Order: sequence, then C-alpha cells, then structure tokens
Amino acid sequence: SYVLTQPPSVSVAPGQTASMTCGGNKIGNKNVHWYQQMPGQAPALVIYYDKDRPSGIPERFSGSNSGNTATLTISRVEAGDEADYYCQVWDSNNDRVVFGGGTKLTVL
Amino acid sequence: QVQLQESGPGLVKPSQTLSLTCTVSGGSISSNASFWTWIRQPAGKGLEWIGRLYTGGTTNYNPSLKSRVTISLDASENQFSLKLTSVTAADTAVYYCARAPLGSYSDYWGQGALVTVSS
Repeated sequence: SYVLTQPPSVSVAPGQTASMTCGGNKIGNKNVHWYQQMPGQAPALVIYYDKDRPSGIPERFSGSNSGNTATLTISRVEAGDEADYYCQVWDSNNDRVVFGGGTKLTVL
Repeated sequence: QVQLQESGPGLVKPSQTLSLTCTVSGGSISSNASFWTWIRQPAGKGLEWIGRLYTGGTTNYNPSLKSRVTISLDASENQFSLKLTSVTAADTAVYYCARAPLGSYSDYWGQGALVTVSS
C-alpha cells in the first residue's frame, strides 16, 4: 500500500522559512493536499492540488511536488503557524485516502 | 458556508457498534460531485481515513477497517452516518466528518467527536 513519510518535527525561528516534506513513491504523479491542525482543533486545508491555496490562506503558504517529494513551505513564519501539518493523497491502486504521519512545526 | 457537526454516543462498550451522525448545514448533501468522509484521530496520533460516500451511493473504505465499516446517507435529513462494528479500545479516537469535493481534498470539517471504547 502507498505510504507517505513526513519528518516528525521541524523547528524554525520567527521570520524564517519552514519547509516540510512529504515523501512517497512517485508522489510527483499524484495530487498532494496539506492540512494544518492546531491543538484541540479539526484539521484545516492550507494547500490543495500541490500548490493552490484556499480562500483566506496567506500567500506565505506555498506548495510544490516533484519526483518522490512534495513540500509545504511557510515563509516569514509567525508564532501562530505553530501546529501539526499533514499531507494527503489519493491512492488509486487501493481506492483510499492516505495521510502522512504529520510534522509538528515548532516556532522557536 | 457549509458546516458539519458530528453527534453520537461518547462512550461505547467493547464488541458493540459505534454509531455517529454528521449533520450538514449551509448546503445540500446531494450536491454534485461531493464525497462525504469520515476520518479519525487517536489521542496524540495522526489522521486515519475511514471511508467516504458519494452522493450517488458509491462507497470506498479503508481496507484495514472495511469489514467493520458502513457509511450511509440520509438526504432527507441532510445527514450521513458511520457505523463501526465490533469495536475495541483501539477504536478510541476523535472522529471527524468532512466534505471532499471531487473526492480529493477535504475542505470542510466538523469539530470532531470523541468516542471512547470502554466497559
């Protein structure tokens, strides 16, 4: 079955750029979606179809996807960006949604 | 603005059936090309997709749960439901319902319902 691999944690200082990866076999051939989950809250979509931002998501959030790695990038990181981030794809071979294990973003 | 709200018992005994309902407001559950989805999250862990239902009736389930899961729709009530049979402590989690337009990403989520499996 298809597996998505995310680093458990990423740390960044305020104002710097945070890059969170999502690894999967030929993930560049799939559509990748990213969610932000604040403590005690439901996940919220921040990037869909690799790089599109839903209404209300700041331009500081961007996404890319190529080869075996998709990346969520947050520029000019703020304290309020501290959260868990999950990537997600559709596994067409097994007709199921797959989530990565999540990355905890810590703002130092 | 579409809103979703989970409801159901917060405590279920082992071996019994977990039943949750998701009420959709701000839009019709029969909207074209929408999939209605259940996702769960054990405390301190990541997200696990349970399954989805297309308004036309097609369902897809996580293979690891498929033998125990049923997702159904009640268009007259603008609701969809989850049933998970033969539950164990491993099924204790926060359960989310969500909408997935075109069956891809989930754009609207409920706030989540904590279900504990315990005697």
